Amino acid sequence: NAGVTQTPKFRVLKTGQSMTLLCAQDMNHEYMYWYRQDPGMGLRLIHYSVGEGTTAKGEVPDGYNVSRLKKQNFLLGLESAAPSQTSVYFCASSPDLAGIGNNEQFFGPGTRLTVL
Amino acid sequence: GENVEQHPSTLSVQEGDSAVIKCTYSDSASNYFPWYKQELGKRPQLIIDIRSNVGEKKDQRIAVTLNKTAKHFSLHITETQPEDSAVYFCAASTGNQGGKLIFGQGTELSVKP
Repeated sequence: NAGVTQTPKFRVLKTGQSMTLLCAQDMNHEYMYWYRQDPGMGLRLIHYSVGEGTTAKGEVPDGYNVSRLKKQNFLLGLESAAPSQTSVYFCASSPDLAGIGNNEQFFGPGTRLTVL
Repeated sequence: GENVEQHPSTLSVQEGDSAVIKCTYSDSASNYFPWYKQELGKRPQLIIDIRSNVGEKKDQRIAVTLNKTAKHFSLHITETQPEDSAVYFCAASTGNQGGKLIFGQGTELSVKP
């Protein structure tokens, strides 16, 4: 099992460009999440999904969109990149073992994005 | 919404000493408190977690304590080793909304040989 994978690993964008980050998991997890990590600010939740076809806003959703058309994939889109979106982006997934949503989150390796 | 504060932001200890990292949370409905370790350039990984019906949990050199009344929880690492050097994150969740986690700001632990 590959676990949680992310594509690409690195990317440099110019202000105003768009891109999509892909997260894939092969553990049949119900829940998936997108975080951004900035120095001194921990991991902040951008958007999340509680199942195929569902998405919801997290702490810092502005400037991002997401889609979960297939259970195993969670896409994060930047329509018009800004320098403030320079960050490391982590995807995570979690099973819903007990139906209460409190279970270990498994993280992908991250995507380092720079917006010039 | 939930807010998690973590202290200290950096911690330096000698090998063999103990390290303690503390977190406070704001939402009294939070019932799940995991701790993640992130080595340099790597992904965060769960090292221990505790649920609100338990006051303390141990796993070898690592322990977590929870005080629901005061709304704070702590990570204790005993007999620290250089490989414990990493950034540690606490988090809290109410279990609702897909078990989403609110993370603390992180503590950079340095264990000096």
